[in-house]
Amino acid sequence: DGGITQSPKYLFRKEGQNVTLSCEQNLNHDAMYWYRQDPGQGLRLIYYSQIVNDFQKGDIAEGYSVSREKKESFPLTVTSAQKNPTAFYLCASTTGSTDTQYFGPGTRLTVL
Amino acid sequence: GQNIDQPTEMTATEGAIVQINCTYQTSGFNGLFWYQQHAGEAPTFLSYNVLDGLEEKGRFSSFLSRSKGYSYLLLKELQMKDSASYLCAVPTGGGNKLTFGTGTQLKVEL
Repeated sequence: DGGITQSPKYLFRKEGQNVTLSCEQNLNHDAMYWYRQDPGQGLRLIYYSQIVNDFQKGDIAEGYSVSREKKESFPLTVTSAQKNPTAFYLCASTTGSTDTQYFGPGTRLTVL
Repeated sequence: GQNIDQPTEMTATEGAIVQINCTYQTSGFNGLFWYQQHAGEAPTFLSYNVLDGLEEKGRFSSFLSRSKGYSYLLLKELQMKDSASYLCAVPTGGGNKLTFGTGTQLKVEL
């Protein structure tokens, strides 16, 4: 089945630790995106990538880093510099010829 | 820049019709999306409007007026499973980026 996978679904980390969230897609989509969602709020764009080995900052990139070494994969690292990392993180992808984004199931990160 | 407004919450009765409004201000318009998001889950695509008018898709319809910067999502024959957050989004600049509204939390009651 084609789709977007994110793992794990729930993640707990201690304050000050870096953590990497996985996002994989087998839809052959060119562009991939990372969003953060806080309770009662909309989605805010962290980083996006339109092609392999290239990515751009979104609206709230501080404290995060990404890589795009393969078309299928777009991992997000939440660093210790991110002041409030506890949130629901969503990965999305699109073909590039259309704006319709399709989302993975999300990872809920809790920093203790 | 982009500014999107939606009501925060709405309540409706099972079997009824509900209209969820979205107003937007953008520096350039390339369509408007509606997504549905159940609690703790990912948003799922509902509709995309780029031309004025109403587009119907089963129980769900979406309307767009570009001159008024206005869209609505119409849900008919409401079911309990329609209780969810409904997100309005518009494309933002290049890179197929989307700017999302804060979402409208719909509660369907018996």
